[in-house]
Amino acid sequence: AQKVTQAQTEISVVEKEDVTLDCVYETRDTTYYLFWYKQPPSGELVFLIRRNSFDEQNEISGRYSWNFQKSTSSFNFTITASQVVDSAVYFCALSANFGNEKLTFGTGTRLTIIP
Amino acid sequence: EAGVTQFPSHSVIEKGQTVTLRCDPISGHDNLYWYRRVMGKEIKFLLHFVKESKQDESGMPNNRFLAERTGGTYSTLKVQPAELEDSGVYFCASSRRGLAGLSIETQYFGPGTRLLVL
Repeated sequence: AQKVTQAQTEISVVEKEDVTLDCVYETRDTTYYLFWYKQPPSGELVFLIRRNSFDEQNEISGRYSWNFQKSTSSFNFTITASQVVDSAVYFCALSANFGNEKLTFGTGTRLTIIP
Repeated sequence: EAGVTQFPSHSVIEKGQTVTLRCDPISGHDNLYWYRRVMGKEIKFLLHFVKESKQDESGMPNNRFLAERTGGTYSTLKVQPAELEDSGVYFCASSRRGLAGLSIETQYFGPGTRLLVL
């Protein structure tokens, strides 16, 4: 069985500060994929990143970066120089079922950027 | 390319009534998933279609829920009769088929249907 834990329920930071959202996962599968999704106030789930278990390279996309560490089963997400538009609920998810790639989600972290 | 669309965006019904939710996946996506988020909890898997076939419906809460995907295009999720605990946001997602055993493709989500059962 898979499990994703996002221990931070809510985070508030002042605009332009950096913020890291934690994600810890559990799976017995050796091959799996990790995802981050953003849910802005409008409600839709927006895909941010997909990473497979064989690729531990960190990734940077603009102000966003992701740190994948298999040794600690973590896939943390950092926003640098946060902006008000980053305010949203962020979900980490895991999929490890080839043929039925259902996602196991964490409970989400609500991020509020204070202007 | 159009994204995943869902209809209606909101639905308010009374306990015991029937509601049908619709999802139109991204064109060409064989995989279609339904998920649900009950207030404050995690997003939970309901079921998965590959084209018109149900691949996994292990997440369906009970037999009051019926999902169909006739012709392998759009899908409907019917709740009959609705109960108070069915309230939540119902998300639909679609993805391409990955290479068997080699890759898991990204699921793209629709905006969700907010269901409130009174």
